[in-house]
Amino acid sequence: GAVVSQHPSRVICKSGTSVKIECRSLDFQATTMFWYRQFPKQSLMLMATSNEGSKATYEQGVEKDKFLINHASLTLSTLTVTSAHPEDSSFYICSASDIQGRANEKLFFGSGTQLSVL
Amino acid sequence: GENVEQHPSTLSVQEGDSAVIKCTYSDSASNYFPWYKQELGKRPQLIIDIRSNVGEKKDQRIAVTLNKTAKHFSLHITETQPEDSAVYFCAALTQGGSEKLVFGKGTKLTVNP
Repeated sequence: GAVVSQHPSRVICKSGTSVKIECRSLDFQATTMFWYRQFPKQSLMLMATSNEGSKATYEQGVEKDKFLINHASLTLSTLTVTSAHPEDSSFYICSASDIQGRANEKLFFGSGTQLSVL
Repeated sequence: GENVEQHPSTLSVQEGDSAVIKCTYSDSASNYFPWYKQELGKRPQLIIDIRSNVGEKKDQRIAVTLNKTAKHFSLHITETQPEDSAVYFCAALTQGGSEKLVFGKGTKLTVNP
C-alpha cells in the first residue's frame, strides 16, 4: 500500500521555539494532505487541509498564524508550530490520499509526531 | 457541518466472540464511510469502507453495514482474536465545499484470550 512518512517522530522543545514537522508521500502524489491533532485516548481532530500550490484551509478555532502549513510539492507538506507553548503539546499526525484516487477518501496516515513543549 | 457519533467508547470481548461498533452521522449528503484501526503507538490504518450505494460489505472476518435512512453504520468483527485489540475509528466524508473525513471519537476494543 501507499506510504506516508512523517518526521520527526518525537520532539521536545522549550517554550517559545518553533517546530517543523514534515509529511511526505513516498510512492504516490497527493494534491491534498490533512493535519490532525490527537490527544491521549481521543479522536483525530482535523486542524487543516493542506493544498498543493495554494493556501491551507483551517478548521474553526485553529490559528493559522500559529500552525503554518506549506504544501510546496505533490509529495511534501510541512506543519510549523510557531512559538510553541506547553498547551501545544500533543500528537500531530498527517494523512494523504492518492491523487489518482477518488476525492479525499482512502487516506494513508503518517506515523505521527509527539510534541512535548517544556 | 457533519457530526459523527460513535459507540461504545470501550468494548471488551472474549476471544472468538463477535464485536459490534456503531456510528451515526448527521449529514445526509455524506456518501463514503471508512473504518480505521489504530494499534497502540501506531498510525491509523484503513480496514474497510463502504459507499452510500451499498448496504453491506464484507472482508473475511470484518463487515460493515450502512443504513442511509437512519444515517448509521456499523462495524462487525466476528471470531475476534487478541490481535484485533486496538482503537477503531469510524468516519464520514463530508460533501459540499471541501471534502474531508470527520472521525468519530473511537472505540477501544479489547479481546481477552
